[in-house]
Amino acid sequence: RKEVEQDPGPFNVPEGATVAFNCTYSNSASQSFFWYRQDCRKEPKLLMSVYSSGNEDGRFTAQLNRASQYISLLIRDSKLSDSATYLCVVQGGNDMRFGAGTRLTVKP
Amino acid sequence: DAGVIQSPRHEVTEMGQEVTLRCKPISGHNSLFWYRQTMMRGLELLIYFNNNVPIDDSGMPEDRFSAKMPNASFSTLKIQPSEPRDSAVYFCASTGANEQFFGPGTRLTVL
Repeated sequence: RKEVEQDPGPFNVPEGATVAFNCTYSNSASQSFFWYRQDCRKEPKLLMSVYSSGNEDGRFTAQLNRASQYISLLIRDSKLSDSATYLCVVQGGNDMRFGAGTRLTVKP
Repeated sequence: DAGVIQSPRHEVTEMGQEVTLRCKPISGHNSLFWYRQTMMRGLELLIYFNNNVPIDDSGMPEDRFSAKMPNASFSTLKIQPSEPRDSAVYFCASTGANEQFFGPGTRLTVL
């Protein structure tokens, strides 16, 4: 079983749609959680951290459920520029583990 | 700061040749990571260093792969001999303030 699992997609949605990505992790001792975004042929970049209380950054909302070992990312009012691959990341100490990513395409 | 620097950006080589990938982390970052990314397997952690010391190399595929970090500002990933299945994008990343910063990657093609 992979340490971090994501639905690979692809998710194809129209502009303005709301889309949600899910991620599960296997190591219950994991301490920190993130969502990274990777554009085509580019390196991954931090999108947002995920806190136990849930956190929001504009159109993006991240949630963590430690009991179920589950992380989610919600994108509201999706834009064409949101098209990318979204990577779930789980950290324990200095060790960071990435999910395989979920590919999103937002269409006009 | 210039960010994480990797070289070369592209490498095309023939099977059996030695390949050396280079990385300069962001100054002041204590942890450095090497990843490999392919369409089939996604982003895989190969090895990471903390304060120049290798901490976990369990992701290194086989003995053909080796990594060194002789000082805080430089690391290498070497493949010898290279094989076509090593073709991938290799990323180096360094960590500071709980955020991991990636270099632009080296796109390796082994013919």
